[in-house]
Amino acid sequence: AQKVTQAQTEISVVEKEDVTLDCVYETRDTTYYLFWYKQPPSGELVFLIRRNSFDEQNEISGRYSWNFQKSTSSFNFTITASQVVDSAVYFCAAIGGSNYKLTFGKGTLLTVNP
Amino acid sequence: EAQVTQNPRYLITVTGKKLTVTCSQNMNHEYMSWYRQDPGLGLRQIYYSMNVEVTDKGDVPEGYKVSRKEKRNFPLILESPSPNQTSLYFCASSFMGEQYFGPGTRLTVT
Repeated sequence: AQKVTQAQTEISVVEKEDVTLDCVYETRDTTYYLFWYKQPPSGELVFLIRRNSFDEQNEISGRYSWNFQKSTSSFNFTITASQVVDSAVYFCAAIGGSNYKLTFGKGTLLTVNP
Repeated sequence: EAQVTQNPRYLITVTGKKLTVTCSQNMNHEYMSWYRQDPGLGLRQIYYSMNVEVTDKGDVPEGYKVSRKEKRNFPLILESPSPNQTSLYFCASSFMGEQYFGPGTRLTVT
């Protein structure tokens, strides 16, 4: 079974600040996937990234970047130059082995103020 | 277009009145599941299905039923809804680590 911890319940920043959302996972599986989802106020879940356990390369997509470190079991998400539209709840999640069940963290509410 | 649909999107009902939330996917996935989302708790799995006629309990199955008679459909049934089932519900369809979520159903039980 997996466990995902998002220690930050809420974060508030001012527009253009950089912000990092933390995610720590626990798993006994050697093969697993890690995810980040965005949930805007409208409620839908927006897929941001999937990373498998064999690929520790960091990824950058526009203002978004992800830092995957197996040594610390972390998969942190950074938004550079935040914008008001980034305001949302962000979830980190994990799947282990051949199991398709997603285990979610409790989410981090990010508020970006103008 | 790969899609998971749920209906209804919003529902307000009363305690004890049976309801069904439908879920359908067009990707021919074998694995489907239901999650509920509650403030401060994240998303938790209710039930899942590995294939037609194969279903099993997730983490919070009490008060819910499911069926999987066809690969594309996976309805969630609340036989006697109670106020503690007021929540945001998501259906998901999965294959090889790819997860596709429906738009969500906001259920209020009064």
